[in-house]
Amino acid sequence: DTAVSQTPKYLVTQMGNDKSIKCEQNLGHDTMYWYKQDSKKFLKIMFSYNNKELIINETVPNRFSPKSPDKAHLNLHINSLELGDSAVYFCASSRTSSGNTIYFGEGSWLTVV
Amino acid sequence: GNSVTQMEGPVTLSEEAFLTINCTYTATGYPSLFWYVQYPGEGLQLLLKATKADDKGSNKGFEATYRKETTSFHLEKGSVQVSDSAVYFCALSGPNDYKLSFGAGTTVTVRA
Repeated sequence: DTAVSQTPKYLVTQMGNDKSIKCEQNLGHDTMYWYKQDSKKFLKIMFSYNNKELIINETVPNRFSPKSPDKAHLNLHINSLELGDSAVYFCASSRTSSGNTIYFGEGSWLTVV
Repeated sequence: GNSVTQMEGPVTLSEEAFLTINCTYTATGYPSLFWYVQYPGEGLQLLLKATKADDKGSNKGFEATYRKETTSFHLEKGSVQVSDSAVYFCALSGPNDYKLSFGAGTTVTVRA
């Protein structure tokens, strides 16, 4: 069983479209994250939720909106996609305690054309 | 704020060579330190971790020791294989910080 699963794995879409990436974890963790990896492989946190509450919201355009319907799910919705949004988006989860391992999904490769 | 600086790549090695990837950090207090690995076309996997000074993390022949005096967590492997070709990320989580701050990643290619 995949611990952190996200869908779709690959997504090609046109500029201006709205798209969502879904994420689910079956580890019983109460904290979930979205990270963005750019073309140079650099990883940066976007959002973090703890028990469905937003606890980290880095400088991200408000076209990006996370939604956490329950502790096991954290979806990412992106409005009005731009070319610069092309990246790999990683969902992750952990227990709520610093120093705990963060487990990552396999990534969603988004290409905006 | 917390930050991680790791050796820039790319690094190209022959099989059975010794690998070192340097990683230093800046953090307040006592962070936890991690190495993650990303194989081509895949997600991030935890390779090893250390949560306090002088701890040594190890996995799959890789080792890294948490050195508080030099604020370092260098990754080493004594004899690399082609299958070790990947991007390696050093990361830290601060004592009151529930996110990971990553280094820029080091691409390692091992040739047969």
